[in-house]
Amino acid sequence: DAGVTQSPTHLIKTRGQQVTLRCSPKSGHDTVSWYQQALGQGPQFIFQYYEEEERQRGNFPDRFSGHQFPNYSSELNVNALLLGDSALYLCASSPTSGNQETQYFGPGTRLLVL
Amino acid sequence: QKEVEQDPGPLSVPEGAIVSLNCTYSNSAFQYFMWYRQYSRKGPELLMYTYSSGNKEDGRFTAQVDKSSKYISLFIRDSQPSDSATYLCAMSGLTGGSYIPTFGRGTSLIVHP
Repeated sequence: DAGVTQSPTHLIKTRGQQVTLRCSPKSGHDTVSWYQQALGQGPQFIFQYYEEEERQRGNFPDRFSGHQFPNYSSELNVNALLLGDSALYLCASSPTSGNQETQYFGPGTRLLVL
Repeated sequence: QKEVEQDPGPLSVPEGAIVSLNCTYSNSAFQYFMWYRQYSRKGPELLMYTYSSGNKEDGRFTAQVDKSSKYISLFIRDSQPSDSATYLCAMSGLTGGSYIPTFGRGTSLIVHP
């Protein structure tokens, strides 16, 4: 079991650019959530995807959007990047049935906006 | 006031010590309580989770939940240098048909030989 995988591992962008981050969930998991973790802080919930639709959303602007594919993998898109978007972006997966109350995280994508 | 409060530390202990990590919370709807370990520049790794109040033990780790006090703890016995990491508490309740955890900011633990 490969667990949750994310790509790329690191990314450097400049203000105003757009970025796409990718995630493959753990085998058997069909729900994918995205989090932003700023330095020295806990992860902050961005949104959750299930059955290719956004099921819940945290307090993030519309510049943050996502997509889930039929194979349950997911993308996070961020438009018009700001310096404050520099963070570790984490993907987490969970099963719809069974232990959905626990989530398993990927290693994250570290985004630096200059 | 944040929903979940966690002292960021750092907490520095000698090898072999018993470590106590704690979080307080304000949302009485939380039902599940988790502890994650996060090594530097890595994603969080689920250590333990408990449902409602009570204790749960797994090897050197013990998780305690006191819902009446809105207080959770993680104890690490016989701490090792490899336990040096940031420990994140998280908790969730059913919202909109799914469980979305709310995290504390993490406590940095340093176990020195």
